[in-house]
Amino acid sequence: AQKVTQAQTEISVVEKEDVTLDCVYETRDTTYYLFWYKQPPSGELVFLIRRNSFDEQNEISGRYSWNFQKSTSSFNFTITASQVVDSAVYFCALLATDSWGKLQFGAGTQVVVTP
Amino acid sequence: DSGVTQTPKHLITATGQRVTLRCSPRSGDLSVYWYQQSLDQGLQFLIQYYNGEERAKGNILERFSAQQFPDLHSELNLSSLELGDSALYFCASSVGADLGEQYFGPGTRLTVT
Repeated sequence: AQKVTQAQTEISVVEKEDVTLDCVYETRDTTYYLFWYKQPPSGELVFLIRRNSFDEQNEISGRYSWNFQKSTSSFNFTITASQVVDSAVYFCALLATDSWGKLQFGAGTQVVVTP
Repeated sequence: DSGVTQTPKHLITATGQRVTLRCSPRSGDLSVYWYQQSLDQGLQFLIQYYNGEERAKGNILERFSAQQFPDLHSELNLSSLELGDSALYFCASSVGADLGEQYFGPGTRLTVT
C-alpha cells in the first residue's frame, strides 16, 4: 500500500523568508512518481512538478526547488524568498506501479505568507 | 488555466437528490480522473476512465457512477445524496493511461443540505 505523509499542517512565514515543506512517502514499488500540487485560496489544484523514482537529481524552477532522497523516502519542497502569492495549501502525491492512475495525496501543508 | 473544464462550479441540492457533474479534459488527453476533496477525508481518488473504458477504481460509493463519452468528456453521477457527500469534486486529465501528469480542473463544489 502507498502512503504519503506531510507532517506539517501549517507553516507561517514572513515575506522573503524561505520555507521548506516536508513529504515522506511509503511504497514497495521500485518504479513510482512523486508530485507536488499547489491549491491557492481560489481552490484549483495546480501541477508543480513530477519526479520519477530513478531520477534523484534535485530540481530548481525559479524560487521553487525540490530535494528528492530515496534513502529517506523524502521529496521535500522549498520556496525561496516567499511572497504573499505563495500562500496556499501544498500537496505531495505518489503514483506507484500497483496503482497506476491513482494519485495518493498527502494531507497537505497550509503555507501562510504575511507581508 | 489547466485546460480542463468542469461544470457547474457550484451546486446546492437537498438530501436524497441526484446530480451530474461534467468534465471536459484537455485537448488530446485520453484519461479522465475524478477525485473528491473533503475536510475529513482529504483528496481521494474515485475513478479513472481511459478512452471510454473504466481503468481504475478507488473508494467510490455505489451511489456514485461515472462514464466517459466518445468525445472524451466525462460525467460523474451522484445519487441519493447525503450530507456527507458535500465536498469539492475535481476532474483531472492526462495524455496516457498511467504515468503522466494529471492536470486538474477548477472543481465543482457540492453542498448537500
